[in-house]
Amino acid sequence: QSALTQPASVSGSPGQSITISCTGTSSDVGTYNLVSWYQHHPGEAPKLMIYEGSKRPSGVSNRFSGSKSGNTASLTISGLQAEDEADYYCCSYADSGTWVFGGGTKLTVL
Amino acid sequence: QVQLVESGGGVVQPGRSLRLSCAASGFTFFTYGMHWVRQAPGKGLEWVALIWNDGTNENYADSVKGRFTISRDNSRNTLYLQMNSLRAEDTAVYYCARFPGGTYHFEYWGQGTLVTVSS
Repeated sequence: QSALTQPASVSGSPGQSITISCTGTSSDVGTYNLVSWYQHHPGEAPKLMIYEGSKRPSGVSNRFSGSKSGNTASLTISGLQAEDEADYYCCSYADSGTWVFGGGTKLTVL
Repeated sequence: QVQLVESGGGVVQPGRSLRLSCAASGFTFFTYGMHWVRQAPGKGLEWVALIWNDGTNENYADSVKGRFTISRDNSRNTLYLQMNSLRAEDTAVYYCARFPGGTYHFEYWGQGTLVTVSS
């Protein structure tokens, strides 16, 4: 299983919106609507932000939203805040009962 | 509150073995499936293995299949990862994470334990 493809970095100013893409294949993102997104501050536990493509867990801000088109999933963060600065990872359920992560995207809030 | 605490990491020589533990508290452990996920230094996350809540099903990433074994003791609220024939490329922070039955995401994570494979 090859890793999903994410941009290495994105940046935005406070209050702006950014979108992180996550490209897979027909063996994962394209077939299963089971993409999840995680926020990871180095040294801390990763945190679930989006699951099943577009659902938000209780307690996660509605500034975070997810979508999918074909083999590409996306995470959008609106109204950027300083505390959003972190690494973000997408993940998809894949064939053979496995999971595949993206390489991660470092979000910088300018 | 929900707590997942990994332990057992350390420095180990190539070819040797190590067992990681993940102690769960604050929730009904036996109703949740569990995963191990790792992150090599400077790299992204990599799924390693999963085990169902009752231990009846498990699966592994190709990179660890045949070398690693996931198991759990529901009476002790503890998840394990037995790692044999360790290689330098297994060096990583290892996280445990829970998943509710019938779901496909990592709902809650521990803070991880570092495994370094080096001579």
